[in-house]
Amino acid sequence: TQLLEQSPQFLSIQEGENLTVYCNSSSVFSSLQWYRQEPGEGPVLLVTVVTGGEVKKLKRLTFQFGDARKDSSLHITAAQPGDTGLYLCAGVGNNNDMRFGAGTRLTVKP
Amino acid sequence: EAQVTQNPRYLITVTGKKLTVTCSQNMNHEYMSWYRQDPGLGLRQIYYSMNVEVTDKGDVPEGYKVSRKEKRNFPLILESPSPNQTSLYFCASSFGTGRYEQYFGPGTRLTVT
Repeated sequence: TQLLEQSPQFLSIQEGENLTVYCNSSSVFSSLQWYRQEPGEGPVLLVTVVTGGEVKKLKRLTFQFGDARKDSSLHITAAQPGDTGLYLCAGVGNNNDMRFGAGTRLTVKP
Repeated sequence: EAQVTQNPRYLITVTGKKLTVTCSQNMNHEYMSWYRQDPGLGLRQIYYSMNVEVTDKGDVPEGYKVSRKEKRNFPLILESPSPNQTSLYFCASSFGTGRYEQYFGPGTRLTVT
């Protein structure tokens, strides 16, 4: 079974702090995606990483795909209250099924 | 407007009473999925469909049925709901898997008593 494990499960920080969220697996994924979900809504795609070692930036968010394509990280610089939400990583399984991590619930306090 | 719609948004039912949650997308996507989301467990895929008349089991298919007779619709059927199927359900669609973005519906909160 291709599992995606996210850490930490919960993260509460003050506005302006930096943070990193991790998504790890023992399996190789051809690509990994990061989604953000706000209460009462469905997840929305932030980024897709495809190449091992790839780094993508989205304003204050930096996404990295591990060299072996088994792990990924999301780093947020100078977090703001608007970053509050549930962050989910996802990958495609061997049978074209989709696998999601359990998520990291981020709270940024003003 | 490109979107995935689900109905109903909220449903309270009793054990054993058959129900259907509808899902429709207007983006001509080939890949459609159903997920359930439970606290601490994230999103778990129930069933997915690569195209019309093609459906496959995801991680947690027990107690659910789906059909894909048309490209735009992918209903989720609970023939005999049980309390352990109380959950938040999401339908999603995309052009494919991997690097393609999945578009999610607004969710259906189901309570089975």
